[in-house]
Amino acid sequence: NAGVTQTPKFRILKIGQSMTLQCTQDMNHNYMYWYRQDPGMGLKLIYYSVGAGITDKGEVPNGYNVSRSTTEDFPLRLELAAPSQTSVYFCASSYTGSGILTEAFFGQGTRLTVV
Amino acid sequence: TQLLEQSPQFLSIQEGENLTVYCNSSSVFSSLQWYRQEPGEGPVLLVTVVTGGEVKKLKRLTFQFGDARKDSSLHITAAQPGDTGLYLCAGEGSGGGADGLTFGKGTHLIIQP
Repeated sequence: NAGVTQTPKFRILKIGQSMTLQCTQDMNHNYMYWYRQDPGMGLKLIYYSVGAGITDKGEVPNGYNVSRSTTEDFPLRLELAAPSQTSVYFCASSYTGSGILTEAFFGQGTRLTVV
Repeated sequence: TQLLEQSPQFLSIQEGENLTVYCNSSSVFSSLQWYRQEPGEGPVLLVTVVTGGEVKKLKRLTFQFGDARKDSSLHITAAQPGDTGLYLCAGEGSGGGADGLTFGKGTHLIIQP
């Protein structure tokens, strides 16, 4: 069982370049999330999705875009990379429903450096 | 915005010692989770506490949820080098998973052999 898979694991971008971080899950989870983690900090929510076709902003959405065309996939797009976006990005998924405890399953992360 | 404050931020102790880390908030959470993150990996869930005053044990780890569901603690007995890692608490608000989990900054724990 693969769980949550993120690609790539590492990437270096130049300022102004764009890229897409891929995330896929095979657990049929309805919720998916993108977090970023900066050194010494916790996880900050960028965007989340409660199901295919539905996305919403989290705490730090500026400079990012997402889409959710299928239950399995939740790509994160950086259009104009900036040094402030240097971080480790984690995708997560969970099954959330009435009376069900939410457990988030995380991918291994993408370490992005913008130079 | 719901905030979770974790303390201490860093802790380095000798193998065999006991320790407690704390997770505090001014907000009420419907549940609170503890995750452990190892270098180069994503966080992995250790436990979820739901009821105020609840205590859960996972081998040498004891988790407690405050009576008012605003705070939690993690106590490790006889710490071992394998306990080394970043411990994150995360709160789920009353809206369920709709807003995602709110994470604390974490406690970096190092157990020296």
